[in-house]
Amino acid sequence: AQSVSQHNHHVILSEAASLELGCNYSYGGTVNLFWYVQYPGQHLQLLLKYFSGDPLVKGIKGFEAEFIKSKFSFNLRKPSVQWSDTAEYFCAPFVNAGKSTFGDGTTLTVKP
Amino acid sequence: EAEVAQSPRYKITEKSQAVAFWCDPISGHATLYWYRQILGQGPELLVQFQDESVVDDSQLPKDRFSAERLKGVDSTLKIQPAELGDSAMYLCASSFRAGVLNEQFFGPGTRLTVL
Repeated sequence: AQSVSQHNHHVILSEAASLELGCNYSYGGTVNLFWYVQYPGQHLQLLLKYFSGDPLVKGIKGFEAEFIKSKFSFNLRKPSVQWSDTAEYFCAPFVNAGKSTFGDGTTLTVKP
Repeated sequence: EAEVAQSPRYKITEKSQAVAFWCDPISGHATLYWYRQILGQGPELLVQFQDESVVDDSQLPKDRFSAERLKGVDSTLKIQPAELGDSAMYLCASSFRAGVLNEQFFGPGTRLTVL
């Protein structure tokens, strides 16, 4: 069965700390990968996406993610977080041109 | 900036009652999605429309849930009768077309509480 695993349910960091949120998926076919973010009181929105080519993709607000096919992973990173990065982050693989499957999310709290 | 509209934002109902949620996608978006998000989990696709046609409703509990998009624009999701386990956030999203290359834009959601 297809599945998405986000390893951390809640991450607490201080400002300027580095961030890495894990995402692993279990699919054998063609996969396209997304990270979505939901800031407090706001809509779910696209943070970044990977379709093909360079496995290191850059998104909005300084976020990036690396696709490692051999590890079935698409981890989200940011070198230095800000208080405004406090939000919930969802990894969402899109499999074989089918539908998106969302992970259960990671809540990031950044302390000022 | 164009947005996906949903109403109501909050709904409290008693079990066995009927509830309905409305979604107005971004103008010109042919594909519309309804998701259910249970607290602590990610969104789960319930139904996907391409214009007025259902293209995926494999996860829709059809004994109590129904969805329609009669004119291929706005859409209604109905639950009858509501059960305690239906308490969740119901999200609507739209995209220009179906497929991975088309970004989904999400609405604010309707938070349903069933008592």
